Order: sequence, then C-alpha cells, then structure tokens
Amino acid sequence: NAGVTQTPKFQVLKTGQSMTLQCAQDMNHEYMSWYRQDPGMGLRLIHYSVGAGITDQGEVPNGYNVSRSTTEDFPLRLLSAAPSQTSVYFCASSYLTGTGRLKGGEQFFGPGTRLTVL
Amino acid sequence: QQQVKQSPQSLIVQKGGISIINCAYENTAFDYFPWYQQFPGKGPALLIAIRPDVSEKKEGRFTISFNKSAKQFSLHIMDSQPGDSATYFCAATGAMEYGNKLVFGAGTILRVKS
Repeated sequence: NAGVTQTPKFQVLKTGQSMTLQCAQDMNHEYMSWYRQDPGMGLRLIHYSVGAGITDQGEVPNGYNVSRSTTEDFPLRLLSAAPSQTSVYFCASSYLTGTGRLKGGEQFFGPGTRLTVL
Repeated sequence: QQQVKQSPQSLIVQKGGISIINCAYENTAFDYFPWYQQFPGKGPALLIAIRPDVSEKKEGRFTISFNKSAKQFSLHIMDSQPGDSATYFCAATGAMEYGNKLVFGAGTILRVKS
C-alpha cells in the first residue's frame, strides 16, 4: 500500500495564480481532510470529507475549494493564491466508527506539499 | 484562540533525560486525546492516545498523564534518545461537532542532544 500520496512536493506560485494540490489514498478510508501547518500554529483543518460527494469546512476554509468524486481522491484547489497561503499542506485520511467518529483518533498523513506564494 | 494550548514551544534535553510536554484544554466536549510525532520533511503520525477516564497510559518509553479535573495532559519521554528529536503535537477530538475533527496544539520541537 502506498498510503496517502500528495503531489507536488514543492510549488511556487505568483499572487493570483490558481492551482490544485492532489491527494490520493489506497486504504479505502471514508474520511479525508486537508490541513495547513504554519510555525507556532500547529495543524489547522481546512476542509474535510466523510465520503464521496460530501465535504465540509474546517477551521480555515477561506480561499480553498475541495470536491470528492471518488473515495480515493480529495484535491484541494487554491482559486487565487495569496502570500498568506504560503504554508505546508498535509492531506490525511482515516476510518470512521459506526457513530461517525475518527477511529482511534488516528489520521494517516501524507508527506506534505510545501507551497510558496510570491 | 487555540482550543488546545501546548507548551513549551521548543525543548532541548540531554540523551537519557526525561522530556515533558504539556497541554491544556477548556472544551468539555473533548473526550479523546492523541499525540502525534512528526519528523522533519514527513507528515505527523500517531504516537499514543488516552481517554480521560484513564489517568496514565504507557507505551514503551512514552507515557501520557491525564488530569481530568484540571483539563491538562502531558507526554513524558523517558530515557530520551537522539532519534526522538521531532515535533510533537497534542490533539483532541470528542463528541458532537468534534467527533470527526482533530484539534491540534501548536507543537513542541524536541531536540535530544547526544
């Protein structure tokens, strides 16, 4: 199993450009999510999905869009990049319990994408 | 305002020493507290987790202590090794709107000197 894969590993954008960060998992997890990691801020949830066709906003959703057409893929779109979106982005996936909770509190993280917006 | 407050921001410990990282929370909806370990250039990975009905959980050299009344919990790394050098995040999840979310602390960068 490849686990959670993310592409690209690094990206530099100019202000106003758009791009899509790709995320895929091969563990048949229902739940997928996107976080951004900034120094001193920990990991903050951007968007998440509990299954194909279902997405919801996290703590910091502004400026980002997601969709989930398959169980495996969960791309994150930056519509018009801003310098404030310079960050490291992590995709994660996990199983859900029968009551819809994260199983064991465990999320499996990808290796991350380091994004710089000039 | 961070819902899970973590300290210290960074920590330097001698090899063989004890590393202690502390976290505190206010929201009583939280009922499960995992710790994640992140090595440079990698994504975080689950290290150990605890429920508030347990005061302590030990896995090898890693121990979580939990004080439910004070809403505080801490990670102790005994006999710290250079290979433990990483960033550690405490997190919380819970009932209702937190059932399918992890709320992370700000992280602690641990360096173990050999």
